[in-house]
Amino acid sequence: QQPVQSPQAVILREGEDAVINCSSSKALYSVHWYRQKHGEAPVFLMILLKGGEQKGHEKISASFNEKKQQSSLYLTASQLSYSGTYFCGTEPSGNFGNEKLTFGTGTRLTIIP
Amino acid sequence: NAGVTQTPKFQVLKTGQSMTLQCAQDMNHNSMYWYRQDPGMGLRLIYYSASEGTTDKGEVPNGYNVSRLNKREFSLRLESAAPSQTSVYFCASRPSGTGIFEQYFGPGTRLTVT
Repeated sequence: QQPVQSPQAVILREGEDAVINCSSSKALYSVHWYRQKHGEAPVFLMILLKGGEQKGHEKISASFNEKKQQSSLYLTASQLSYSGTYFCGTEPSGNFGNEKLTFGTGTRLTIIP
Repeated sequence: NAGVTQTPKFQVLKTGQSMTLQCAQDMNHNSMYWYRQDPGMGLRLIYYSASEGTTDKGEVPNGYNVSRLNKREFSLRLESAAPSQTSVYFCASRPSGTGIFEQYFGPGTRLTVT
């Protein structure tokens, strides 16, 4: 079952902050975040693992609440280049080594000058 | 280092025709994936390969077959194309083993079935 992302779309002025949420009905081993610009391939932003390990870009921050099976992506002081669709991908707990992700339907972020 | 490459970039098929989408990666990754992306649906996994010679079904495997020819190449075949298979297809690869690894995506193949 796909994770649920919220909001579905958001419009920000340059410099404003945004939070994108991802919620799963299953216990999770990891959450991945990707950004996709129109007509392009998804690009990696962040991975968060059960237990607290994470890997990602310096200017991106995210959290992972294992008990609630939720993750949030924090975009601060947004820039025009942040525009795009953000996807979370989840890997269920107990599937270590399975490596199959289920992606949400995306959050479309538009930054205006 | 080209990363993940996909051919063709665009394709138009008639219902019932067959074709193979090619994917190759030069990063020595073990895991490879095929996804389809439809408007409003996000990325859905079609097939996955953990290593050369192994494949596993994803969420939407019906109507597709795959071949992991070697470590570099992972192809997706549509035996009898249907309009419902009109989509953008992405191939991805990922290292495996101990560590935290992201997926690397190819540029996509835009397929239209009429």
